[in-house]
Amino acid sequence: NAGVMQNPRHLVRRRGQEARLRCSPMKGHSHVYWYRQLPEEGLKFMVYLQKENIIDESGMPKERFSAEFPKEGPSILRIQQVVRGDSAAYFCASSAELTGNTIYFGEGSWLTVV
Amino acid sequence: KNEVEQSPQNLTAQEGEFITINCSYSVGISALHWLQQHPGGGIVSLFMLSSGKKKHGRLIATINIQEKHSSLHITASHPRDSAVYICAVEGAQKLVFGQGTRLTINP
Repeated sequence: NAGVMQNPRHLVRRRGQEARLRCSPMKGHSHVYWYRQLPEEGLKFMVYLQKENIIDESGMPKERFSAEFPKEGPSILRIQQVVRGDSAAYFCASSAELTGNTIYFGEGSWLTVV
Repeated sequence: KNEVEQSPQNLTAQEGEFITINCSYSVGISALHWLQQHPGGGIVSLFMLSSGKKKHGRLIATINIQEKHSSLHITASHPRDSAVYICAVEGAQKLVFGQGTRLTINP
């Protein structure tokens, strides 16, 4: 049973380009969370998704950022027209149930905007 | 004031010492998680607590729901325990993280 798989691990984008980060949750997990860790800062919640539904996107910037978790395939975090301030580590996590269960984290995707 | 406060922010100790990291929170929670983040960044879930105490190897985690406080203890610390330890509380369908405690164990 593979863990939470994220790719790419490292991504370099020029300002104005698009970044797509993928997350495949653990087998059997239907709850996916995205977190961002800016340099020298703590983890911050971005969005919580279940299959085909965004449950809570209160931590996601209103513009340029979007997330989806389709019926088939991985969850995607999409950042359009990236800026230097988007440079961060983006972590995906998954869990089996809504609350009170161990949350498993992926290895993270490091985005660098040049 | 942050919803989750950890102390200390940085901790340096000698190999073999008993380590305690504290976490206080101000919101109602359904569970509390202790996470470990190694240099290089990967995050590992150490414990998920909703009451009482849990032990795994040299790690012990406790939680006092009434006082809204949790502690993570490491016995017989070792240099490989050097990492950032993060407390996260679960409520309203998301985790809220503390800033982390950077632990360095010197040989």
